[in-house]
Amino acid sequence: KNEVEQSPQNLTAQEGEFITINCSYSVGISALHWLQQHPGGGIVSLFMLSSGKKKHGRLIATINIQEKHSSLHITASHPRDSAVYICAVPKTSGSRLTFGEGTQLTVNP
Amino acid sequence: EAQVTQNPRYLITVTGKKLTVTCSQNMNHEYMSWYRQDPGLGLRQIYYSMNVEVTDKGDVPEGYKVSRKEKRNFPLILESPSPNQTSLYFCASSVMQGTYGYTFGSGTRLTVV
Repeated sequence: KNEVEQSPQNLTAQEGEFITINCSYSVGISALHWLQQHPGGGIVSLFMLSSGKKKHGRLIATINIQEKHSSLHITASHPRDSAVYICAVPKTSGSRLTFGEGTQLTVNP
Repeated sequence: EAQVTQNPRYLITVTGKKLTVTCSQNMNHEYMSWYRQDPGLGLRQIYYSMNVEVTDKGDVPEGYKVSRKEKRNFPLILESPSPNQTSLYFCASSVMQGTYGYTFGSGTRLTVV
């Protein structure tokens, strides 16, 4: 079993839909990261969170430390949101990152 | 502009020919790291550095070397590349490991034939 698991692996949505991507982890963490990888390959850090909820524009990230689960929500999705979304957690020692396999999101116009 | 610069973006080389992928950041970040990304395996950490002259192995360090002689630079060295090192490589930096966000380089697509 992977230490970080994401679901779904692939997600296709229509423009305007509300999207949720889930991340579950089995290691103890200090923080969880959500990353976005564009079709060209570049990676952008979206959120780093250790508790509660963060919001940036149409993106919302939540984390439940007790349940070891985080969600990334996209409201009013748009084709430009099409990308791979990756969650990552530092291992207990804090010095290594472990990544989920990513969720490929396609938003159709 | 705050950024992590990787070079080259694309590289095709032959087995056994030593190569270096450079990584430089202009944000005075303490932490730098290298990752490789492969289909079906996702991102995996190769090496990381907590500060100048401090480096340590990640999950897949075999066949790679790194050095951190200056804070801004963290080159990845393949002494004798092999075809199984064909991959997409990313360098990243952070103020400090764990509780700060990361800035990633644009990636280096390496093919070893």
